[in-house]
Amino acid sequence: QVQLVQSGAEVKKPGASVKVSCKASGYKFTSYGISWVRQAPGQGLEWMGWISAYNGDAYYVQNLQGRVTMSTDTSTSTAHLHLRSLRSDDTAVYYCARDVGELRYLDYWGQGTLVTVSS
Amino acid sequence: DIQMTQSPTSLSASVGDRVTITCRASQSISSYLNWYQQKPGNAPKLLIYAASSLQSGVPSRFSGSGSGTDFTLTISSLHPEDFATYYCQQSYSTLTFGPGTTVDIK
Repeated sequence: QVQLVQSGAEVKKPGASVKVSCKASGYKFTSYGISWVRQAPGQGLEWMGWISAYNGDAYYVQNLQGRVTMSTDTSTSTAHLHLRSLRSDDTAVYYCARDVGELRYLDYWGQGTLVTVSS
Repeated sequence: DIQMTQSPTSLSASVGDRVTITCRASQSISSYLNWYQQKPGNAPKLLIYAASSLQSGVPSRFSGSGSGTDFTLTISSLHPEDFATYYCQQSYSTLTFGPGTTVDIK
């Protein structure tokens, strides 16, 4: 069965960076993309960007460009999210999700990783 | 960016009620519209993709309709496990989510 398993919760100070991992299993990793979505406490869902697991092409939303990098390791079927220069408003649960083809729906999600940014 | 709105923001309903949630896009998105359900502490779950296609394993009481700018999610008869927050998401261009509609118990 398809599973996305994310790394554990993180606590970081403002200005630091964080790396969240998402290990995929149960499907051919390179046949799908991975989207990253975050959710601040009590708020809605914010799409952060997408990476192709096939060729590594990535797209980041404008307000995160320069601070975010998405990558994949096809040898371990793992996607990574790297966010730098953390601010308090980056405190959120971060989700990875399998991104399906041209229709771009997110059919399987990781369990979420809480990143807390606090001094 | 394409903006998504949802109405109502929240609603109170009873088990067995028919519930309709509306999602509107700021420009035409054809049928590139998906619906998700999220329960507190859990990841979102895909319900409907491409406006009206039911995701595998999702009960048939959920249905979606619409195209262009206006879309609806309907729950034909509310079950206790359906009390949750529902989000629409467009995939016509860079993905954006609606603000969510919370369905709670009357």
